[in-house]
Amino acid sequence: GEDVEQSLFLSVREGDSSVINCTYTDSSSTYLYWYKQEPGAGLQLLTYIFSNMDMKQDQRLTVLLNKKDKHLSLRIADTQTGDSAIYFCAGIPNTGGFKTIFGAGTRLFVKA
Amino acid sequence: NAGVTQTPKFQVLKTGQSMTLQCAQDMNHNSMYWYRQDPGMGLRLIYYSASEGTTDKGEVPNGYNVSRLNKREFSLRLESAAPSQTSVYFCASRAGDGTEAFFGQGTRLTVV
Repeated sequence: GEDVEQSLFLSVREGDSSVINCTYTDSSSTYLYWYKQEPGAGLQLLTYIFSNMDMKQDQRLTVLLNKKDKHLSLRIADTQTGDSAIYFCAGIPNTGGFKTIFGAGTRLFVKA
Repeated sequence: NAGVTQTPKFQVLKTGQSMTLQCAQDMNHNSMYWYRQDPGMGLRLIYYSASEGTTDKGEVPNGYNVSRLNKREFSLRLESAAPSQTSVYFCASRAGDGTEAFFGQGTRLTVV
């Protein structure tokens, strides 16, 4: 089945770029998502990319998808302290359209 | 819109006690989910309901039961709580295949 892996921690300085990486095993995933979880809150969708796209940009966020390597990344430009949160990579395999498979989450620390 | 509402927000149980976690969504979504979140393990799917009247096991169903009471409500029951069920529980809903999942704020459950 689908497996999604992420590194657990990332620390950056305010104003720098953050790059959060994710690898997944099911190359048939049609949709790949990035969710953000702030302390004490549920997950909120940050952005998503369809599997037929290589890149998607949304203001400070850039998502890159390398289907050959099954690698997804989220770049946050000009990282702010308010970006400190846990970021989850998630995919929906074609075999299970109702099930979203989440990675373990990357905790982003932004130092002032 | 309230979105996805979970109750209670916090709960402490003694081993062997039972309780029901409530979830309701007001977005007319077809699919509803229960996840548990544990440190370093991301979100693991406990049960889901693809549509009203159906429920299916997820990744970690043991020790839990669910009821899809109607289109709005999906409850999670712990019949005999165990310390291993100490976790943060999230309810989520989606309109359909591939669409964004909306999450509740979570229920922090401690079993002593």
